[in-house]
Amino acid sequence: SQTIHQWPATLVQPVGSPLSLECTVEGTSNPNLYWYRQAAGRGLQLLFYSVGIGQISSEVPQNLSASRPQDRQFILSSKKLLLSDSGFYLCAWSAHRGGSYNEQFFGPGTRLTVL
Amino acid sequence: GENVEQHPSTLSVQEGDSAVIKCTYSDSASNYFPWYKQELGKGPQLIIDIRSNVGEKKDQRIAVTLNKTAKHFSLHITETQPEDSAVYFCAASGTGGFKTIFGAGTRLFVKA
Repeated sequence: SQTIHQWPATLVQPVGSPLSLECTVEGTSNPNLYWYRQAAGRGLQLLFYSVGIGQISSEVPQNLSASRPQDRQFILSSKKLLLSDSGFYLCAWSAHRGGSYNEQFFGPGTRLTVL
Repeated sequence: GENVEQHPSTLSVQEGDSAVIKCTYSDSASNYFPWYKQELGKGPQLIIDIRSNVGEKKDQRIAVTLNKTAKHFSLHITETQPEDSAVYFCAASGTGGFKTIFGAGTRLFVKA
């Protein structure tokens, strides 16, 4: 069966510090991968998605970037964190099935607090 | 752009009562409508989904209905239990699309 991991689970960082959040998927190959941010009490905002190694699409202009160095690894980064980057970051995957339905499965999330 | 509206934002019911959450979508090309349940501090979990060629789907105490003409879909939970308390998200996506548009969420409280 497929599993998705995220780490760290929680992170407290000062403003201006760098960020690296990691997501890995097991039990599947060539997945579509996604990064979402969820502000407190709010919905899910899609930040980035990737359909393959080195292929990243950005949904909103921001202080963050994403990379996919391996097939099942997705990394969210920032060079200098802002207070507004605080939130709950979720990684998700879906099967790369072309025209089929886009069922997404989420990881456990990383709660980031920027002070 | 594509949009999914979800109502209500908060719903409080007595244990054993039914709960209904409603969503509307704007993109007529949408053909897949999942529902997610998110418990506090956890990632959303897919609980049920419906595809555009089906009008209704049921799984034990939960059911979803879809009206493609009106671009409405709904989640129905019967015989609610305290463990149903969570935030529920509806979503919509299209064939071959990589983007799933989520509603803003409904916080459901089930009072014992």
